[in-house]
Amino acid sequence: EVQLVESGGGLVQPGGSLRLSCAASGFTFSSYWMSWVRQAPGKGLEWVANIKQDGTETYYVDSVTGRFTISRDNAKNSLYLQMNSLRAEDTAVYYCARAIAAPRYYFDYWGQGTLVTVSS
Amino acid sequence: QTVVTQEPSFSVSPGGTVTLTCGLSSGSVSTNYYPSWYQQTPGQAPRTLIYSTNTRSSGVPDRFSGSILGNKAALTITGAQADDESDYYCVLYMGSGIVVFGGGTKLTVL
Repeated sequence: EVQLVESGGGLVQPGGSLRLSCAASGFTFSSYWMSWVRQAPGKGLEWVANIKQDGTETYYVDSVTGRFTISRDNAKNSLYLQMNSLRAEDTAVYYCARAIAAPRYYFDYWGQGTLVTVSS
Repeated sequence: QTVVTQEPSFSVSPGGTVTLTCGLSSGSVSTNYYPSWYQQTPGQAPRTLIYSTNTRSSGVPDRFSGSILGNKAALTITGAQADDESDYYCVLYMGSGIVVFGGGTKLTVL
């Protein structure tokens, strides 16, 4: 059974940093693209970042480029999102998702999410 | 900046049929955007319904179907049930690793 379990969320002050993790199990992690998707309170879903199987390609939504870094450790079956220079508008539930790519791109499995709150 | 458009809300009667659409602020949606659709109920993670325009994800009932209607992607629910009351999101793949979510449609079954 595919499982994605996020952790690392919490309360952080504006300008601060946080690192999210996603533990994957039930599939060959190194064979899949992975993504982070977020949802601000009461708002819709927003794609944040993608990473290729071997980590050689990464892509970001414009609003986080230069502040967030997606990475992975295939030996640990783990996905990460390093978030720096956090802003109030980054407050959201962050979901880890497995993706099917090339040539299409869609999300086939989702974690339950971890809440990040940016507030003083 | 690319904006993916969806109806903010829609209502359908139990047993009825409803079609939700997914468009572009500029241009037409085609199969080349590999539209996908996701269902989300409050407090829950999204669930994948449709990918690559019209392929149902594993376990999704066949009352859900995807298509291209005119210049938009479409999700049709035939024989709507009470537990179909959810938020529905489309995603378009823009190429070069970039995906964009639509704003979502809140579907009410009443």
